[in-house]
Amino acid sequence: GIQVEQSPPDLILQEGANSTLRCNFSDSVNNLQWFHQNPWGQLINLFYIPSGTKQNGRLSATTVATERYSLLYISSSQTTDSGVYFCAVPLSNAGKSTFGDGTTLTVKP
Amino acid sequence: GAVVSQHPSRVICKSGTSVKIECRSLDFQATTMFWYRQFPKQSLMLMATSNEGSKATYEQGVEKDKFLINHASLTLSTLTVTSAHPEDSSFYICSALNSGSPYNEQFFGPGTRLTVL
Repeated sequence: GIQVEQSPPDLILQEGANSTLRCNFSDSVNNLQWFHQNPWGQLINLFYIPSGTKQNGRLSATTVATERYSLLYISSSQTTDSGVYFCAVPLSNAGKSTFGDGTTLTVKP
Repeated sequence: GAVVSQHPSRVICKSGTSVKIECRSLDFQATTMFWYRQFPKQSLMLMATSNEGSKATYEQGVEKDKFLINHASLTLSTLTVTSAHPEDSSFYICSALNSGSPYNEQFFGPGTRLTVL
């Protein structure tokens, strides 16, 4: 099956810093989602981004489907950005997905 | 929009008892929902696909008689952990696909933390 790798596994930032998280996948995909899992376990949808670039406030994402990777940019990080960031790609046309192992982000005040 | 609820958020039970977890899509219809399991500091592992009006599809290694799934309406799927044991303790999360959307975008519930004593 398709493999999903995220990097880095852990990231510690000072508040206000910028960061880039990466998601590599082993096969072509027709959709990709980025999620933020907060410290209470809730997964929050950040982007549905099969290709191209999207921006939402301080966050933006770019997927280059032909090269099998996606990037999540976080600018001017805040302590509330802390948590685990997952990317997920589809396993089948039935909508089920496989998740990467996540990047754990800690933003220090 | 696209809100998914789960109930209960936390449950503690004795070994051998059964526990039912509900997953509801509050503002959209979902013919397909998914159940995941997450251990501490690990990623989400897909357990099964819940299909409205038909049997669930289980991933390899997941016991269907252990984890009973019912998807009786377009907004509700339930997961019952039968004869729970301490090794079943985990964080269970559901997600739902919006049937009215052409995109396979998943929306997640807040999760249920199960502790089996």
